Amino acid sequence: AQSVTQLGSHVSVSEGALVLLRCNYSSSVPPYLFWYVQYPNQGLQLLLKYTTGATLVKGINGFEAEFKKSETSFHLTKPSAHMSDAAEYFCAVSDGVDSSYKLIFGSGTRLLVRP
Amino acid sequence: NAGVTQTPKFQVLKTGQSMTLQCAQDMNHEYMSWYRQDPGMGLRLIHYSVGAGITDQGEVPNGYNVSRSTTEDFPLRLLSAAPSQTSVYFCASSTDNYGYTFGSGTRLTVV
Repeated sequence: AQSVTQLGSHVSVSEGALVLLRCNYSSSVPPYLFWYVQYPNQGLQLLLKYTTGATLVKGINGFEAEFKKSETSFHLTKPSAHMSDAAEYFCAVSDGVDSSYKLIFGSGTRLLVRP
Repeated sequence: NAGVTQTPKFQVLKTGQSMTLQCAQDMNHEYMSWYRQDPGMGLRLIHYSVGAGITDQGEVPNGYNVSRSTTEDFPLRLLSAAPSQTSVYFCASSTDNYGYTFGSGTRLTVV
């Protein structure tokens, strides 16, 4: 069965510092990978996605993620944190073409940005 | 476009009551799903649909029913509410398998 592991339920960074949120997955076939962001009392918003092609994916709000098949990872980064980045971030995986509509989510990482 | 609309936003039920959470999308998306979000557990898939008339179970389907009579609507029915179903419920839709659009959620409390 697929699974997604997000290391660290809480990550705290200073404003202007690098943001690194970790995601590892298990999948028996080439996966589709996603990062979502959730602001308080809101639904989830798609940040970025990897399906095929270039392994470095750029998303909204200056975030990017790199698909590393050998490490089964899809870590999310942003060079310089902003106060508005404080939110919960979810990594998700689907099993490629045959069941790409079934997303399996990680447990989430809450990002705190210190002034 | 309204996107994905969920109603109600908040609901309190007594144990044993039934209710339907409504979900509608106006994007002509073929794929729709229901998730529940619980603290520390991320989102777990309850049921999903790949088109009108086609539904299937996800990770945690027990106690819930769905139907998809139209492309736009995908209601989630709680048959006999239990305190373990206290959660935030999200409906989502997609057209190309490349990422879902989520509704704003329904916060359900079962007492």
